[in-house]
Amino acid sequence: DIQLTQSPSFLSASVGDRVTITCRASQGITSYLAWYQQKPGKGPKLLIYAASTLRSGVPSRFSGSGSGTEFTLTISSLQPEDFAIYYCQQLNTYPWTFGQGTRVEIK
Amino acid sequence: EVQLVESGGGLILPGGSLRLSCAASGFSVSAYSMTWVRQTPGKGLEWVSLIYSADNTFYADSVKGRFTISRDNSKNTLYLQMNSLRAEDTAVYYCARVLEVFVVPARWFDPWGQGTLVTVSS
Repeated sequence: DIQLTQSPSFLSASVGDRVTITCRASQGITSYLAWYQQKPGKGPKLLIYAASTLRSGVPSRFSGSGSGTEFTLTISSLQPEDFAIYYCQQLNTYPWTFGQGTRVEIK
Repeated sequence: EVQLVESGGGLILPGGSLRLSCAASGFSVSAYSMTWVRQTPGKGLEWVSLIYSADNTFYADSVKGRFTISRDNSKNTLYLQMNSLRAEDTAVYYCARVLEVFVVPARWFDPWGQGTLVTVSS
């Protein structure tokens, strides 16, 4: 199975901060990488697909980059509604797998 | 509005069976690939099963032979039949629509439902 390792697992940041989350794959997954946001008691919501394509309706402060084995999710200016858990997912090879998550909390 | 609503979760004894439902609105489940994912505090998000638009199916090794994914196009509903349940199947189960493009290429899940909790315990 392809392992996805997110770093950090937890980060504490302030409103307005620039935040970067990294997702590393144990083998190449081309651009089959998606990012999701999850808030307590809710299902995950898609933010980015194809590593860097922003889902329609998602604020432009979110961006994604990378290909192959290393990917990043950046929030350019953290807003109060962005405090949540973020997951990466690879859909290149079965079984499709997820990173362990990055919890973003208020400093 | 495109929406998915899961139901059917509950408390079940080890070895028992349960069928989860995922009612779709705003689109037809027959036109898309659909999937189930589960989430536990310990193991995080785990992909469980997939049914392609052509009806071929795939399963995680952990559920292969015990779980069956299917859909009823007339009810616009996706199902997950879970047999021989084990304590390690305890999780919140989500359904999601699978979207795919071939030019880039890429796949992704959108939307997800709100989840239904399955607890396997004596």
